[in-house]
Amino acid sequence: QVHLVQSGAEVKKPGSSVRVSCTTSGGFSSYAINWVRQAPGQGLEWVGGIHPKFGTPNYAQIFQGRVTITADPSTGTSYMELASLRSDDAAIYYCVRLTGGLYLDYWGPGTLVTVSS
Amino acid sequence: DIQMTQSPSSVSASVGDRVTITCRASQGIGNWLAWYQQKPGKAPKFLIHGTSSLQSGVPSRFSGSGSGTEFSLTISSLQPEDFATYYCQQANTFPLTFGPGTKVEIK
Repeated sequence: QVHLVQSGAEVKKPGSSVRVSCTTSGGFSSYAINWVRQAPGQGLEWVGGIHPKFGTPNYAQIFQGRVTITADPSTGTSYMELASLRSDDAAIYYCVRLTGGLYLDYWGPGTLVTVSS
Repeated sequence: DIQMTQSPSSVSASVGDRVTITCRASQGIGNWLAWYQQKPGKAPKFLIHGTSSLQSGVPSRFSGSGSGTEFSLTISSLQPEDFATYYCQQANTFPLTFGPGTKVEIK
């Protein structure tokens, strides 16, 4: 059984950074962990991901330079850090396991990030 | 990037109705398409991969079809637990992209 446990909700000021963690049970190094966000009342947006075994992250172009995704195989944890936060970064951030076929099969519960001055 | 569109954006239907949602890709993606179901306040749930392969535990009233650029998700007989928002996602290449969603509402 695969479970993804995410860190708690965050409230951040514009211009600051946020780091969200995601701890996976079962086969962490065998699958890539990706991050998808959902702004309030909006659809799903892919942020990026990393395969713990290979270590090279992959980011959506719109987040390039602001997002850093890392993975720590020793703890089975992936981290997503987003810098220079803006009000439109307010969203639920989901960590998701990515299958070899680029499908998102197991989803974490989500972490709400609020950006407010 | 591959753009995904969905129609309709919302549909009102009754229990027992047949509902079909269409998803289109801006370029051919073969059969590399997934569908997700999301209920309010919950994470999306992975329903279908490879256009038409149901994930374990997904009821057989759900089916997917299509290839290339045009795809569809059909619920053959809508049940109360099926009222949700449905998203398609292309799994052909990075960046992964999603359709804007189709909300299935109670009539």
